[in-house]
Amino acid sequence: AQKVTQAQTEISVVEKEDVTLDCVYETRDTTYYLFWYKQPPSGELVFLIRRNSFDEQNEISGRYSWNFQKSTSSFNFTITASQVVDSAVYFCALSEAAAAGNKLTFGGGTRVLVKP
Amino acid sequence: DTEVTQTPKHLVMGMTNKKSLKCEQHMGHRAMYWYKQKAKKPPELMFVYSYEKLSINESVPSRFSPECPNSSLLNLHLHALQPEDSALYLCASSHLTGTSYEQYFGPGTRLTVT
Repeated sequence: AQKVTQAQTEISVVEKEDVTLDCVYETRDTTYYLFWYKQPPSGELVFLIRRNSFDEQNEISGRYSWNFQKSTSSFNFTITASQVVDSAVYFCALSEAAAAGNKLTFGGGTRVLVKP
Repeated sequence: DTEVTQTPKHLVMGMTNKKSLKCEQHMGHRAMYWYKQKAKKPPELMFVYSYEKLSINESVPSRFSPECPNSSLLNLHLHALQPEDSALYLCASSHLTGTSYEQYFGPGTRLTVT
């Protein structure tokens, strides 16, 4: 069975500080996909990034960066120079691709509060 | 265009009412999903349609009835709901082939059952 754990339930920072969100996953599949989603107070889940299990290259996209390490089953996400608009709940999610549909397993979410 | 639309945004219904939630996407995705999300919880998968056929039903009560009329539309028919069914209902879509399997979500329908 797949499992995603986000140990941090809430993080509070002051604007311009960096924020790192932790995500640890469990799966028996050799091919899988990892995602980060943002859910602002409006409710819509916004797709941020995807990582395929066969690609461990870490990247930076604007103020977002991620650190994928298969050896420790971790997929951490960093927001650099946080802004008030980054305040939201962030979900890490895992899926295996299947013809029946990509069943997402979500972590419990981390609420990020960025204060001005 | 990575937009999934959902109507209505808000819905209040009595336990004897029948209503429908609608979802639409024009990204050419062949998988569509319904999720239920309670406050301070992650989304929970309800149904998956793959190539317009129901492929996953997560043991959802029969008072929720999904329908996929074509590859762009997804409906969720509601009948005889209970107050505990009050939640945010999210629709999503994704590809089924290739390597871009991320799901794109709509803004949700906030449902209140009285």
